[in-house]
Amino acid sequence: DSGVTQTPKHLITATGQRVTLRCSPRSGDLSVYWYQQSLDQGLQFLIQYYNGEERAKGNILERFSAQQFPDLHSELNLSSLELGDSALYFCASSARLAGGPNEQFFGPGTRLTVL
Amino acid sequence: AQKVTQAQTEISVVEKEDVTLDCVYETRDTTYYLFWYKQPPSGELVFLIRRNSFDEQNEISGRYSWNFQKSTSSFNFTITASQVVDSAVYFCALSEAKNAGNMLTFGGGTRLMVKP
Repeated sequence: DSGVTQTPKHLITATGQRVTLRCSPRSGDLSVYWYQQSLDQGLQFLIQYYNGEERAKGNILERFSAQQFPDLHSELNLSSLELGDSALYFCASSARLAGGPNEQFFGPGTRLTVL
Repeated sequence: AQKVTQAQTEISVVEKEDVTLDCVYETRDTTYYLFWYKQPPSGELVFLIRRNSFDEQNEISGRYSWNFQKSTSSFNFTITASQVVDSAVYFCALSEAKNAGNMLTFGGGTRLMVKP
């Protein structure tokens, strides 16, 4: 158990819908990362927050957005869903930003299926 | 731009065999970090090792060992005396120090199947 929690574990929805994925980082971790794992794109970085502020953006679609709240949990919002958004979405957290990248600890993932 | 290549998409071995998973990376940064993660059939990503670009010492942890060679931009992972429980997808990843977010760039993964 990495200490990172993600809910829900599975999500099945229809095209055009909007969903919210939730992540709670390990206790004390200020950085939260979101990754998408799909068969065709592999594991891709989406976005990162550090202590409530967006820090870096990767290959995140405009239909997707995220935020990190004062209690450090994070939410990833996916809207106008398409079939191609079906994937495993991981949240990861790490201890600190300065001093080089620390190991990121990953949550169990949320499997999103868009029908 | 940073890139990680794991040329072996799938490897199948028989239990107790040694197996090496290859990882080749590209980066223009002089300071970077390399990682290996394991993804068992249950789906979670499990951290195995972190190595910075200034430390080329090989590392051994039980049956696992890692060989980092800057000259060939490789960070290979060897499992000695493989076991069925080692069956998983293994990912090599790179993070450049210059990246503000320290995000990971993953290779495509190598699926290891260990047969009894």
